[in-house]
Amino acid sequence: NAGVTQTPKFQVLKTGQSMTLQCAQDMNHNSMYWYRQDPGMGLRLIYYSASEGTTDKGEVPNGYNVSRLNKREFSLRLESAAPSQTSVYFCATSSFGGSTEAFFGQGTRLTVV
Amino acid sequence: AQRVTQPEKLLSVFKGAPVELKCNYSYSGSPELFWYVQYSRQRLQLLLRHISRESIKGFTADLNKGETSFHLKKPFAQEEDSAMYYCALASGNTPLVFGKGTRLSVIA
Repeated sequence: NAGVTQTPKFQVLKTGQSMTLQCAQDMNHNSMYWYRQDPGMGLRLIYYSASEGTTDKGEVPNGYNVSRLNKREFSLRLESAAPSQTSVYFCATSSFGGSTEAFFGQGTRLTVV
Repeated sequence: AQRVTQPEKLLSVFKGAPVELKCNYSYSGSPELFWYVQYSRQRLQLLLRHISRESIKGFTADLNKGETSFHLKKPFAQEEDSAMYYCALASGNTPLVFGKGTRLSVIA
């Protein structure tokens, strides 16, 4: 079992470009999350999907959109990348909500120039 | 609003010394508290959670509702404990809220 798989691992974008970060899980978990990790800021929630068919904004949703494609996949889209979106992005899953153990992907290091 | 505070960005200790990573939280209900750890070049992973009341890799953490704290402790630090530690809070099916993290450096 791969667990939680994120693609790509690294990406460099120019300001204004768009891209989609992909996340897939084979753990049959209901809940999926996107966090960003910045030095001195910890992990901040961008969007989450409590269950298939639902998505909700987190702490820092501006500039992002998400799609819960099915139970396995949860993608994060940057429509017009900005340097402030330079970060490490983590996808995570849990069986049901934050009170159940979260499993993380390996992260995507995104640089916007 | 849920908030998790980790006052130390960096904590350096000598091998064999005791370790205490501080975590304070703000939440009006009954939260569940967790410690997650990220070792170098590894994924973030659960270290322990308060409801299990177990010791993992020699670490323990006690929930103190009066002081709204969930400090992580280990009596004798090892070099392999060097990592980034995040305290996190959740309630029911709400997403985890993380603190800003503390980097623990164990010096040989």
